[in-house]
Amino acid sequence: QQQVKQSPQSLIVQKGGISIINCAYENTAFDYFPWYQQFPGKGPALLIAIRPDVSEKKEGRFTISFNKSAKQFSLHIMDSQPGDSATYFCAGGYNFNKFYFGSGTKLNVKP
Amino acid sequence: NAGVTQTPKFRILKIGQSMTLQCTQDMNHNYMYWYRQDPGMGLKLIYYSVGAGITDKGEVPNGYNVSRSTTEDFPLRLELAAPSQTSVYFCASRSKDSRHYEQYFGPGTRLTVT
Repeated sequence: QQQVKQSPQSLIVQKGGISIINCAYENTAFDYFPWYQQFPGKGPALLIAIRPDVSEKKEGRFTISFNKSAKQFSLHIMDSQPGDSATYFCAGGYNFNKFYFGSGTKLNVKP
Repeated sequence: NAGVTQTPKFRILKIGQSMTLQCTQDMNHNYMYWYRQDPGMGLKLIYYSVGAGITDKGEVPNGYNVSRSTTEDFPLRLELAAPSQTSVYFCASRSKDSRHYEQYFGPGTRLTVT
């Protein structure tokens, strides 16, 4: 059973547009929800993360919205740029070490 | 700092062969992890370690073994390689004191078993 479900699988956005990636989780024990960005041939790198006690976190053009009752969270990329083209993974984790990743969203930002 | 380094970058194995994937970090991190990433899928945790001499199973440990004799090194051993182990393997580490549980990933090892 997949503990974190991510959609869409791929996304095409025009430069300057808003990219939105959604995730849903099952395990209510999760207490940490990171988003990772991965460029081709590289390992994932932490982009932004949120704890379930807040509903939104913003860092620059990247915002996480978190809905605890619906067990859903999403990543919004404002003013999307071609340099944002990458694969994005959401994850849920608990107990400091058990992390479960979504299947990834390949974002392509058209110039 | 080199961060997390992995060797080799690529490897082709025949069914039944064994190999060790190497992982080293120079950030003095207590926690280290091994993940596999299959095409179109997210990362799945194979094994993790919270310090030298301590390891534990993750989500998909079957067919793998690990050891942690030093803080820096966390090798992953594949015994009797099978086609199902064809994947990209990522090693990661994090500080015990990290506020955000941020994991730092290596560049990956692409393994093909034929």
